[in-house]
Amino acid sequence: QLQLQASGPGLVKPSETLSITCSVSGGSISSDTDYWGWIRQPPGKGLEWIVSIYYSGSTYINSSLKSRVTTSVDTSKNQVSLRLSSVTAADTAVYYCARARGGNSFHWFDPWSQGSLVIVSS
Amino acid sequence: DIVMTQFPDSLAVSLGERATINCKSSQSLLYSSNNKNYLAWYQQKPGQPPKLLIYWASTRESGVPDRFSGSGSGTDFTLTISSLQAEDVAVYFCQQYYSNPPLTFGGGTKVEIK
Repeated sequence: QLQLQASGPGLVKPSETLSITCSVSGGSISSDTDYWGWIRQPPGKGLEWIVSIYYSGSTYINSSLKSRVTTSVDTSKNQVSLRLSSVTAADTAVYYCARARGGNSFHWFDPWSQGSLVIVSS
Repeated sequence: DIVMTQFPDSLAVSLGERATINCKSSQSLLYSSNNKNYLAWYQQKPGQPPKLLIYWASTRESGVPDRFSGSGSGTDFTLTISSLQAEDVAVYFCQQYYSNPPLTFGGGTKVEIK
């Protein structure tokens, strides 16, 4: 059974870089059919898709965050990572990683990790 | 960007009654080449991550109870819970995957027991 676990710093200072890692178990991150996505949810609010990445490094990125987002895949560790630079309080959210099904650019998400709450505060 | 609008924001339904959640997209999610609607539905219970219920607008994910059904085409979609159970109390989100980037979600509908 595929399981994802996101782990992040918990607290990040404004203007710094947020880094979160997603560890995948029960399946290979090098799957031919799947992308891997990052989605965030500010406390009490809705869902915002950030990026989807294929094991080869191919990505789809939300243009609203594109200038600040870096994502990568480590196939040796079966992990995906997200870095978001120059964070502000608006980046405070629960961050989820998820398998992106559907292929090509047509992604729906299943399963999801438990969330990693990141608070941006000095 | 495709804007997804859900309504109502919340609804209260008696146990055993039908719950209907609506989702409207700012442009059609129907691909004419395969006649599929590029829409998914998720359920999120308090303190938990979203769980996939339905994709292709009406295909129920394995293990999802058959009281959950998705319908609609083009720009107007519905998630129906035919007989509400206590464990269905949650927030429900729709998501379009017709256009990427960006993938976009509806604002969510909170379902409670009346």
